[in-house]
Amino acid sequence: GEDVEQSLFLSVREGDSSVINCTYTDSSSTYLYWYKQEPGAGLQLLTYIFSNMDMKQDQRLTVLLNKKDKHLSLRIADTQTGDSAIYFCAEIPGVSGGYNKLIFGAGTRLAVHP
Amino acid sequence: DSGVTQTPKHLITATGQRVTLRCSPRSGDLSVYWYQQSLDQGLQFLIHYYNGEERAKGNILERFSAQQFPDLHSELNLSSLELGDSALYFCASSVPGGGYTFGSGTRLTVV
Repeated sequence: GEDVEQSLFLSVREGDSSVINCTYTDSSSTYLYWYKQEPGAGLQLLTYIFSNMDMKQDQRLTVLLNKKDKHLSLRIADTQTGDSAIYFCAEIPGVSGGYNKLIFGAGTRLAVHP
Repeated sequence: DSGVTQTPKHLITATGQRVTLRCSPRSGDLSVYWYQQSLDQGLQFLIHYYNGEERAKGNILERFSAQQFPDLHSELNLSSLELGDSALYFCASSVPGGGYTFGSGTRLTVV
């Protein structure tokens, strides 16, 4: 089946690292994504990882993928107040019918405090 | 700027009415995906169009319909509106190499 789960809330101190976790169920997922949504705004694509990769780093962001456990994480180094937002994990399940669609988790609300 | 344009940004309407939401995908992109974001259902895939043809349907109600025009813009029509239809409606376009880029959304409030 298609299901993506995330913890709903994370609070961190400014300057610390944040780790947002996600689990998915479709072992044939080809791409996994992290999106950021600030209050009142749309969805911003942060990063994505192919299913044949274990890790991807992009400046302060590190994505780790454990295919065996179907676990994806997003680490934000030196978290800033501007990182406060909702972070969505999303997957493209195994392609069927010639189309792709994103399946989203419920989102993790990251609160950064001084 | 994602390159995906949605209008209007906000819409307030009464129950029973019909509204049309509009989306223009990134220049040159043939795909349009529609999503609904509500507090209780999260982000739900509604429908996908590619080059004018419907490719996939998700959790889209029969009261809702969409189409994609020859110039590739798309419209999402919502009719017989209910209070529970109040949500953010996003459209998205594909990004070369993988991923989707989203418009800033239309916030629909049904009163």
